[in-house]
Amino acid sequence: GEDVEQSLFLSVREGDSSVINCTYTDSSSTYLYWYKQEPGAGLQLLTYIFSNMDMKQDQRLTVLLNKKDKHLSLRIADTQTGDSAIYFCAELGSGGYQKVTFGTGTKLQVIP
Amino acid sequence: DTGVSQDPRHKITKRGQNVTFRCDPISEHNRLYWYRQTLGQGPEFLTYFQNEAQLEKSRLLSDRFSAERPKGSFSTLEIQRTEQGDSAMYLCASSLTLEQYFGPGTRLTVT
Repeated sequence: GEDVEQSLFLSVREGDSSVINCTYTDSSSTYLYWYKQEPGAGLQLLTYIFSNMDMKQDQRLTVLLNKKDKHLSLRIADTQTGDSAIYFCAELGSGGYQKVTFGTGTKLQVIP
Repeated sequence: DTGVSQDPRHKITKRGQNVTFRCDPISEHNRLYWYRQTLGQGPEFLTYFQNEAQLEKSRLLSDRFSAERPKGSFSTLEIQRTEQGDSAMYLCASSLTLEQYFGPGTRLTVT
């Protein structure tokens, strides 16, 4: 079955880069996503990568995908206090329907 | 239409009562999803609609849970005979392609 794992917590200083890591088990994953959740709010889609890509850059965000190791990372350049939130990695399997499996989330704390 | 909306945002109910939540997706989105999120966890998939057809249900969706999307637009999620373990955030998402956009959620507290 599908499983997505993330480290629980990351602390960085404002202005530094943050790297949030994720591993997944479903080798047939088609899309991989990063979502951001601020306290008491729903999930905001940040970016996504198709499984036949290995990198995607979108302004301060860089997604790296190592399909062989089933490892996904999100790098946030020049991290700001407004980036403090929980970041979820998620995968869309190839099972025909639209089931997305989420990780447990990484809480990013940005220290001013 | 600026996004997915959910109503109510908060619901407190006594154990054994029935509750119903509503989700209004982004207007042109034909796919709609329900998820449940408990504290410290990621969202867990509950069910998926394409237009009015419910195409997949998680085994998490016990027979006390029912979801409908009668006209392929808004959806309702009903929980009958609520239990304390049902306390969670219930999230709705919609999509046109493979990018799911989430609403703010309904936080259910069962006392």
